[in-house]
Amino acid sequence: GAVVSQHPSWVICKSGTSVKIECRSLDFQATTMFWYRQFPKQSLMLMATSNEGSKATYEQGVEKDKFLINHASLTLSTLTVTSAHPEDSSFYICSASPLRDRNTEAFFGQGTRLTVV
Amino acid sequence: AQSVTQLDSHVSVSEGTPVLLRCNYSSSYSPSLFWYVQHPNKGLQLLLKYTSAATLVKGINGFEAEFKKSETSFHLTKPSAHMSDAAEYFCVVSVGAGTALIFGKGTTLSVSS
Repeated sequence: GAVVSQHPSWVICKSGTSVKIECRSLDFQATTMFWYRQFPKQSLMLMATSNEGSKATYEQGVEKDKFLINHASLTLSTLTVTSAHPEDSSFYICSASPLRDRNTEAFFGQGTRLTVV
Repeated sequence: AQSVTQLDSHVSVSEGTPVLLRCNYSSSYSPSLFWYVQHPNKGLQLLLKYTSAATLVKGINGFEAEFKKSETSFHLTKPSAHMSDAAEYFCVVSVGAGTALIFGKGTTLSVSS
């Protein structure tokens, strides 16, 4: 199946610093990628939709100035957590689909475990 | 609006016994439905998907699910649990091209020897 690579797989940062997470589709192009957040023992919650060449669409309650998304090419989307705080500690996962077809499965990155100390 | 309800937050079975993870959905459109598995601190892996073809869907690792429109259900089953099946399972619905997936809250499957 298609491969989505997410980097880094884990990161520890100090409170107040920024962290960038990359999501790459390795063998297909994706005009749209999705960013999810998962708190311990909870489900995945959609944070934002990353659109190639245009602004991301954020879900209600997600601060766009805090979670900066850039989708500069058809194979790369980045999520930057700015001025991170301990409450931002979470598991972040991206997904992408090769085709704009709801019947095509989404492929997920490995996830990034962010710990803010 | 679309939603997914996983009826059990935790299911415990003995190795070799059947597994049943329940999922109900609500959708204004004809949905595509998926089951994903997540092992601790790992990403998500697709088990199987329903996309308006056969209502009984067979997936990987011996799992299968049956789409029942009259009951708006998509329960996941496996005849015989294995220790390696212990993980978190998510029932997921997709309703449009290029749209995000809607996840259920997840069911933790524990398998004892």
